[in-house]
Amino acid sequence: QKEVEQNSGPLSVPEGAIASLNCTYSDRGSQSFFWYRQYSGKSPELIMSIYSNGDKEDGRFTAQLNKASQYVSLLIRDSQPSDSATYLCAVTQYNFNKFYFGSGTKLNVKP
Amino acid sequence: EAQVTQNPRYLITVTGKKLTVTCSQNMNHEYMSWYRQDPGLGLRQIYYSMNVEVTDKGDVPEGYKVSRKEKRNFPLILESPSPNQTSLYFCASSPQGQAGQPQHFGDGTRLSIL
Repeated sequence: QKEVEQNSGPLSVPEGAIASLNCTYSDRGSQSFFWYRQYSGKSPELIMSIYSNGDKEDGRFTAQLNKASQYVSLLIRDSQPSDSATYLCAVTQYNFNKFYFGSGTKLNVKP
Repeated sequence: EAQVTQNPRYLITVTGKKLTVTCSQNMNHEYMSWYRQDPGLGLRQIYYSMNVEVTDKGDVPEGYKVSRKEKRNFPLILESPSPNQTSLYFCASSPQGQAGQPQHFGDGTRLSIL
């Protein structure tokens, strides 16, 4: 079983819609959670970090964490074609030493 | 400008020829890490370092070596590269000696081993 699971997609949404990306993780001791965006051929860039249960909003992005159910999600409101990319979920465990990444969900936002 | 710099960006080499990929950060970060990215497998951690002279294995350390003699530098060494090490490699760093902080990534090194 992988540490972090994501649906590979592609997830297609029309411009202006809400895109919902999901991630589950296997280790209940996971402490820190991150969403990265990666354009083709580029390096990952941080979108959101979340450390406690609940929602965290930053502009058009909302990260949601539910430790009891072991999932973290990312909502993108008013999706734009420029949001088309692969979104990577990452978690760290209780000792914060290692990062585990999911394989990513490819998002296509159609004009 | 705060950045993580990797060199080279692209390298084609042959099996068994030792190579080093350099990584340097100018943000005074304690934590540094190397990843490889392969299609369908995502980013996998090779080695990480919590601080100078402190390194530890990630999930896929076989065939790789690292060193952390200075805070800013964290080179990745392939002593005897093999074709299964053909991949896209990223170096990353984060502050405060804890992986709980988000990481900043270099631009990547695309390595092809024939």
